[in-house]
Amino acid sequence: GESVGLHLPTLSVQEGDNSIINCAYSNSASDYFIWYKQESGKGPQFIIDIRSNMDKRQGQRVTVLLNKTVKHLSLQIAATQPGDSAVYFCAENPDSNYQLIWGAGTKLIIKP
Amino acid sequence: DSGVTQTPKHLITATGQRVTLRCSPRSGDLSVYWYQQSLDQGLQFLIQYYNGEERAKGNILERFSAQQFPDLHSELNLSSLELGDSALYFCASSAGGGSLDNEQFFGPGTRLTVL
Repeated sequence: GESVGLHLPTLSVQEGDNSIINCAYSNSASDYFIWYKQESGKGPQFIIDIRSNMDKRQGQRVTVLLNKTVKHLSLQIAATQPGDSAVYFCAENPDSNYQLIWGAGTKLIIKP
Repeated sequence: DSGVTQTPKHLITATGQRVTLRCSPRSGDLSVYWYQQSLDQGLQFLIQYYNGEERAKGNILERFSAQQFPDLHSELNLSSLELGDSALYFCASSAGGGSLDNEQFFGPGTRLTVL
């Protein structure tokens, strides 16, 4: 759902392992979902998106999974690299509104 | 480089003051969005303009206002500043006015410090 000023949850992953970042979205009517990556000191950057008529979409080293039954979205990053260290945000698009609703974000830390 | 520019990069001011943040969208983009991000927290959507008109409003305080000019650049005005307004303020732009298939490109942000 909307970011409400909570401190960010953190996920620590060994370099080379796969990372799975989870997001619970709020609106069952949402038909479009996006993952953004925000590196330290920079603005968020688009990673991958998925429409509600799909349950999986793959990009380069990233896969987004959508489970509409439980309103859950996940981002999988294969062979995590130091450059993947960032905060990852999911965002949903409720079909009645132009405005994206942003999740609170997850900080991904890569252990050497 | 996203193509979105924001000025200034840093701004330090005192409580009670007023500041203006400026954003130039990517060439051709009609929508501008403003977000607030406090330290180690998520993005709070403030407001969206599309082709000069307000399109959507989020958690924007009455002390804050924005506008989009005919050349599509946008300004966010923050007045009667409080310590809690210290944050990163991001501008994003997109080609269209809706969220569907409409990637937002973010600027580098303006870091506001209120002392």
